[in-house]
Amino acid sequence: DTAVSQTPKYLVTQMGNDKSIKCEQNLGHDTMYWYKQDSKKFLKIMFSYNNKELIINETVPNRFSPKSPDKAHLNLHINSLELGDSAVYFCASSQMGTGAGANVLTFGAGSRLTVL
Amino acid sequence: AQSVTQLGSHVSVSEGALVLLRCNYSSSVPPYLFWYVQYPNQGLQLLLKYTSAATLVKGINGFEAEFKKSETSFHLTKPSAHMSDAAEYFCAVRTNTGNQFYFGTGTSLTVIP
Repeated sequence: DTAVSQTPKYLVTQMGNDKSIKCEQNLGHDTMYWYKQDSKKFLKIMFSYNNKELIINETVPNRFSPKSPDKAHLNLHINSLELGDSAVYFCASSQMGTGAGANVLTFGAGSRLTVL
Repeated sequence: AQSVTQLGSHVSVSEGALVLLRCNYSSSVPPYLFWYVQYPNQGLQLLLKYTSAATLVKGINGFEAEFKKSETSFHLTKPSAHMSDAAEYFCAVRTNTGNQFYFGTGTSLTVIP
């Protein structure tokens, strides 16, 4: 049973299209994130949600809109895709607290987006 | 703002040799520190974490890291490299307020047979 699952794993689309990536975690964590990894492997945080509320929104174009219907899901919608959006997008989750598994990021397998 | 710096974007070692991957953090108070590994075409997996309990932290696959406050460092080591250790390694810091994680630029480890 995958802890953090993302769909789709691969996404190839044309410039100007709109696409979504879905993420679900079954760990009961209260915080979810989207990270972008570019071709040089740099990992940059995009968004963070805690119990469905937006906590952090780094400098990301407003073409990117996260949506968290509940604390187990955090979806990413991208409008008017551009060539520079090509990257691997990782969803992650964590739980604040003092337990052994707390305060650690658990990642999904990633969604590779290619914009042509 | 808290951040981590990884020195050396590429490190090559011979199979059986010592692995040393460097990470320095900038923080006014000891933060939570992590090492993650990313194998090709996969997500990131936690190798180990420092949470102020012990300065020498042991992780999976024979890796360990030592927190040195005087040097603001958290270098990752493994006594003997295996071919299967070839991967991208990321050092990360968690902010003390909130639950945000920031990553270094990564170090690609190559193991030469």
